[in-house]
Amino acid sequence: DTAVSQTPKYLVTQMGNDKSIKCEQNLGHDTMYWYKQDSKKFLKIMFSYNNKELIINETVPNRFSPKSPDKAHLNLHINSLELGDSAVYFCASSQDARGAASKNGYTFGSGTRLTVV
Amino acid sequence: GQNIDQPTEMTATEGAIVQINCTYQTSGFNGLFWYQQHAGEAPTFLSYNVLDGLEEKGRFSSFLSRSKGYSYLLLKELQMKDSASYLCAVRDAGKSTFGDGTTLTVKP
Repeated sequence: DTAVSQTPKYLVTQMGNDKSIKCEQNLGHDTMYWYKQDSKKFLKIMFSYNNKELIINETVPNRFSPKSPDKAHLNLHINSLELGDSAVYFCASSQDARGAASKNGYTFGSGTRLTVV
Repeated sequence: GQNIDQPTEMTATEGAIVQINCTYQTSGFNGLFWYQQHAGEAPTFLSYNVLDGLEEKGRFSSFLSRSKGYSYLLLKELQMKDSASYLCAVRDAGKSTFGDGTTLTVKP
């Protein structure tokens, strides 16, 4: 059983399109995240949700909108895609509640490689 | 702000020991994590330190000094499969900030 699953694994699309990436975790974790990893391998936080509530929203363009229908799901919708959005997007989850440290770290999904042409 | 520094690349020989350092300057601190990431794959959790000292887990150990803002990951008895990127991440205010990662190449 996949702990954190995200779809699709690969996404190639044209500039200006709107696309969504879905993420689901079956670990019973309270907190889910979206990270972006660019071509230089730098992993940067985008959003974090704790039990469906947005708790972290880094400086991300408004074109990116996360949605968490329940604590096991965190989807990412991107409007008007730009060339600079090309990256690998990782979904992750952790057990801890807001602000609490977890000694188990994050469990990451396998990533969605987005290419905007 | 958050500032996390690691060497960009390291090379070591199979069977040897390698130490990957991480220094950090962060506004808060609630634990330090090490992750391993093979090319084209997701990061996987290796270790967690929140108190000063050494945490040992098989061939991997991680050390933390909070007063110095310093950690290292020690890999013993290196194997070819240990070739990967190693990411240091500092947890603060409910999120983890990652360093740029150290690409380790293990040679025969």
